[in-house]
Amino acid sequence: DTGVSQDPRHKITKRGQNVTFRCDPISEHNRLYWYRQTLGQGPEFLTYFQNEAQLEKSRLLSDRFSAERPKGSFSTLEIQRTEQGDSAMYLCASSGDGLYEQYFGPGTRLTVT
Amino acid sequence: GESVGLHLPTLSVQEGDNSIINCAYSNSASDYFIWYKQESGKGPQFIIDIRSNMDKRQGQRVTVLLNKTVKHLSLQIAATQPGDSAVYFCAENSWGKLQFGAGTQVVVTP
Repeated sequence: DTGVSQDPRHKITKRGQNVTFRCDPISEHNRLYWYRQTLGQGPEFLTYFQNEAQLEKSRLLSDRFSAERPKGSFSTLEIQRTEQGDSAMYLCASSGDGLYEQYFGPGTRLTVT
Repeated sequence: GESVGLHLPTLSVQEGDNSIINCAYSNSASDYFIWYKQESGKGPQFIIDIRSNMDKRQGQRVTVLLNKTVKHLSLQIAATQPGDSAVYFCAENSWGKLQFGAGTQVVVTP
């Protein structure tokens, strides 16, 4: 399978705990995006990388959220001190340089209890 | 602020009929739009895209129409099948990131 992959697919955590998600983009894609989606809504942009550089962060990305893409390949999204409001689907997408179309992974569904 | 939105939250269509899903956008500077299909528990799946220098683009069983005068986008699905049941989103490319509307649930009935 050469699509975008995400791990884990589901995560249940208690409030206050830290969680980390991983995204592996399509191998030749140098742009990687993180989005968050709540029930009944469209995905909302969080941040994106071109290679290893994080180029933009949404105001939705509070200081409890951090994303990295250290080698320009896979990326991680960490949420510290999780809150119930963090419960959502976290989606990763990738695209090739100069191309607009983004291809999404299956998402990680986070439930904070 | 500027936004992308959908007119109808739910569309019920009989199998074999054509479906039309509408989307309004407000950013007149937008130059690229994408339609995605999202099935329950899955990530959005790219269907078709269109650039602002085009009025129409066709894919396999799908057609996207763009009316820049009234800032309107539509997705037509020909001969709708049960597998087309999903939520459909239009998205606007805004400086490399996508801005999505709330989505339209398409329900295909036998």
